[in-house]
Amino acid sequence: DAGITQSPRHKVTETGTPVTLRCHQTENHRYMYWYRQDPGHGLRLIHYSYGVKDTDKGEVSDGYSVSRSKTEDFLLTLESATSSQTSVYFCAITQGLAGGYEQYFGPGTRLTVT
Amino acid sequence: GQNIDQPTEMTATEGAIVQINCTYQTSGFNGLFWYQQHAGEAPTFLSYNVLDGLEEKGRFSSFLSRSKGYSYLLLKELQMKDSASYLCAVRDPNGGSQGNLIFGKGTKLSVKP
Repeated sequence: DAGITQSPRHKVTETGTPVTLRCHQTENHRYMYWYRQDPGHGLRLIHYSYGVKDTDKGEVSDGYSVSRSKTEDFLLTLESATSSQTSVYFCAITQGLAGGYEQYFGPGTRLTVT
Repeated sequence: GQNIDQPTEMTATEGAIVQINCTYQTSGFNGLFWYQQHAGEAPTFLSYNVLDGLEEKGRFSSFLSRSKGYSYLLLKELQMKDSASYLCAVRDPNGGSQGNLIFGKGTKLSVKP
């Protein structure tokens, strides 16, 4: 257990509304990541952070923004939700328990945009 | 670009051995990872390979050949609870020691009695 929580766990929202998902960690990990997972696509990186106020884009960043104002929280915002953003969103951190700086995932947020 | 291929689905029998293959094409190499993901749950870390050879961890083993761009996950003494998706991932070769992971689409394993 890497001490990662995500909120909310489930959300239904309407097209055009802003949505913010929260990832919270309690173990002072420097690196944090946001992925989305869709059938037929696997896990795809949206944004990641390598420290407070340090973020960068991933493979599928269009329509998403992130913020990290303190170590423990990494927020993902859908500025104007679209149906194509219906997905399961996972947050992850990096930890070197097995020597490879492997990633550990939060429980996920299932987002439905109607 | 980076590309990872693994079979979409596999079926095996309880008590048997199954091998899940993964091939990758990347501009460099900085580590390969296997994850298990049960339906409706988050991926959980299984194994990490950075050097050629076999890493064994209980019923699970992972093999890497860097020259062939090839890895496999071997599951022995299959149990019903091993029914899950298995994700192969490589670290972005340009990302450093804590760089991003690039995931394959996963192999859904069904274990039959």
